[in-house]
Amino acid sequence: GQQLNQSPQSMFIQEGEDVSMNCTSSSIFNTWLWYKQDPGEGPVLLIALYKAGELTSNGRLTAQFGITRKDSFLNISASIPSDVGIYFCAGRRGVGLTFGKGTHLIIQP
Amino acid sequence: DADVTQTPRNRITKTGKRIMLECSQTKGHDRMYWYRQDPGLGLQLIYYSFDVKDINKGEISDGYSVSRQAQAKFSLSLESAIPNQTALYFCATSPAQGEDTQYFGPGTRLTVL
Repeated sequence: GQQLNQSPQSMFIQEGEDVSMNCTSSSIFNTWLWYKQDPGEGPVLLIALYKAGELTSNGRLTAQFGITRKDSFLNISASIPSDVGIYFCAGRRGVGLTFGKGTHLIIQP
Repeated sequence: DADVTQTPRNRITKTGKRIMLECSQTKGHDRMYWYRQDPGLGLQLIYYSFDVKDINKGEISDGYSVSRQAQAKFSLSLESAIPNQTALYFCATSPAQGEDTQYFGPGTRLTVL
């Protein structure tokens, strides 16, 4: 089946640092999405990308849909304590979403 | 009030028992989904429904069944629970024209002993 390779698995950073994570696939996706999950909660949509090459920002978050349609990255600038959580990429090719395994972001004050 | 609610939030049961997880939404969305989340594996699609008369299998439907009782309700059943069905289960909804924007419930943590 379709697989998304998300990296890194976890990140330990200092408050104020920039963060970068990415997803790659051997398959082409029509849509790339980035979700954040807080403990005890369901994933919440952060950014949706619909066109190859598209670069979209949401506050301190920036995400890009790769030109090949097989990858996407998410950057978080000037991290703050509430950025802690698990970030998932997701791609859509047909029905439903295919999720990456998540990047666990831990911020040290 | 939350737009997508799931009950129960936590459940511990024994092997062989029948379990039903329920999902309700007030978003007025046509499309509903059930996902399973295991540690380190992301979310996997179990079943989905595009309207009340539509039920479709996802990636990992074996051992599960669903019922779409109304536009707002989508329940997931485990007819005979087994330990490897221990996981976090999420319901999600999306509007018909915006399937990409899925809204997730808070999850149900199921433990099968």
